Amino acid sequence: RKEVEQDPGPFNVPEGATVAFNCTYSNSASQSFFWYRQDCRKEPKLLMSVYSSGNEDGRFTAQLNRASQYISLLIRDSKLSDSATYLCVVRAGNNRKLIWGLGTSLAVNP
Amino acid sequence: GAVVSQHPSWVICKSGTSVKIECRSLDFQATTMFWYRQFPKQSLMLMATSNEGSKATYEQGVEKDKFLINHASLTLSTLTVTSAHPEDSSFYICSATPSDRAYEQYFGPGTRLTVT
Repeated sequence: RKEVEQDPGPFNVPEGATVAFNCTYSNSASQSFFWYRQDCRKEPKLLMSVYSSGNEDGRFTAQLNRASQYISLLIRDSKLSDSATYLCVVRAGNNRKLIWGLGTSLAVNP
Repeated sequence: GAVVSQHPSWVICKSGTSVKIECRSLDFQATTMFWYRQFPKQSLMLMATSNEGSKATYEQGVEKDKFLINHASLTLSTLTVTSAHPEDSSFYICSATPSDRAYEQYFGPGTRLTVT
């Protein structure tokens, strides 16, 4: 089983749609969780950290379920500029090493 | 703040030659830098963790004699791909952790290596 698993997609949605991505992780000792966004042929950029209580940043909402070892990202009112690959990233305990999912590809269509 | 640069941004080299990639933290000191590799349609794979003033820690399956890492200062780490082969063609990305913010990572823009 992979340490971090994501549905690769692609997700094709119209502008204005709401789309949700899920991610599961295998290491129950994981303590830090992130969603990164990566555009084609570019470096990943931090979209948001994921906190236990869930957190929201504009149109983006992230949630964490430690019991199920599951993280989600919800994007509301999708924009064309949201088209990218969304990477689920986990850090275990005091280890600085990040474990990356394969990413979920999103295409927002006009 | 927290800008990381990489040089070169892309490079084409012949098989058998060596290529050096630089990673610099421009506005902060970084005791730890990470080197990643990403093949098309795949996720980032950590190659090694580079600590200033000490030997790098390589991930399983990464040849330390082929991928030489030097982290001689708090703002610069270099990755040298020795005797490059076409299968080494990839997107190499570094990230740096500020010395005073140990759990943050800032990514460089990546270097695209093509070996012909």
